[in-house]
Order: sequence, then structure tokens, then C-alpha cells
Amino acid sequence: GENVEQHPSTLSVQEGDSAVIKCTYSDSASNYFPWYKQELGKRPQLIIDIRSNVGEKKDQRIAVTLNKTAKHFSLHITETQPEDSAVYFCAASRRSYIPTFGRGTSLIVHP
Amino acid sequence: DAGVIQSPRHEVTEMGQEVTLRCKPISGHNSLFWYRQTMMRGLELLIYFNNNVPIDDSGMPEDRFSAKMPNASFSTLKIQPSEPRDSAVYFCASSTGTGELFFGEGSRLTVL
Repeated sequence: GENVEQHPSTLSVQEGDSAVIKCTYSDSASNYFPWYKQELGKRPQLIIDIRSNVGEKKDQRIAVTLNKTAKHFSLHITETQPEDSAVYFCAASRRSYIPTFGRGTSLIVHP
Repeated sequence: DAGVIQSPRHEVTEMGQEVTLRCKPISGHNSLFWYRQTMMRGLELLIYFNNNVPIDDSGMPEDRFSAKMPNASFSTLKIQPSEPRDSAVYFCASSTGTGELFFGEGSRLTVL
């Protein structure tokens, strides 16, 4: 089955800095890569996703890049704000859209 | 729509007791997932239903766990007998089968 590795497990930045979270996957047939944000005590919610036919996608301060050859994808958050503090999960899935999640990255943005 | 609804939100029980978690997916969604979240193991898929049929239950830890989806608007996850290591947050999620999962608020289970 699919295996998703996510790094780092914890990321601490100053407000205004950029944050980068990286994931690798094992199944070359995976073609859908969502990112979820989970605030403390809340449910995970989708913030951005990318499909294998594109290499990059942006939505305001967040962007995701995908390298299918190397089987890795990354989340980039620019101009971080305290409200960005949360746990971020990457995931990978095939056309069946059954995601396998990474272990999560706890992002802490210091004011 | 009210989103995915889970109950109970919190459950504290003693080892050996039966636990039943409930989920109402978003109307019109044909895929339903049960995940377990712990600090040690992250988000683990327990079971996946498509059109009320269990498709992948390879994540169900052992025979103590069972899940049902009798109709398109209701699913249950049952643990019998419960053990302290089952303590976790259990999430139900639904989707249209085209990508985004919509999670419920979760059921926090503590087994003493």
C-alpha cells in the first residue's frame, strides 16, 4: 500500500517568515495530493490540493508543488501569521481517492 | 447542510465495555471513512465504505472492531470489548468520491 512520509514533525517560525513542509510518497500510481489543516481540538479541513497533471498550485499565501519523478510534494506558506498555527497533514491517493495521510507537522508561528 | 455529524463527542468508559460511535455523513456523499487519530500513529484509516458497502477494512485493528453502514445516512463503529489502547479521537469523514474529505468533529474516546 501507499506510504507517506512527512517532515518536519514540528516547525517553529516567526510571524512573517515562510514555512515549508515536505512529503514523499511510495506509490507511483498516486495522482491526488491534498493538504489538510487541523487547528487544536478541531477537525481536519482541506486547504489546498494538487493533481498529478500539474506541478504547482497557488491560493493566496499557500502553494503546493509536486515532483512526480521524485515522488515528493511540498506545502509553502508565505508571510505566516499566528492563525496559521496548526497541524498540517499531507496525503496521497490514487483515483479511488482513499487518502493515506502523513504523520502531520505542528506549525507554530510566534508573534 | 450541517456537515458530518458524529456522536458522542466525548466518551469515557471502562475497559471491557462496549463502545458505539455514530456518524451521519453529508447528504449526497457516497463515500464514508472512519479514521483513528493518536499522537503516536497520526491519522489511520480504519474502514472505507462506498455506496454503503465496506470496500477496505484492512485498517481495522482486530476483531474487537466492527463497522456498519445500514443506509446512506448512518454508520456506526463499534468496539467490543474496549481496551485502554483504544483511547483516541475517532473521525468520520464523507466525500463525493472525487477528492475532498469532509470530517466530522470527532469522538474522543477514553478507556480507563
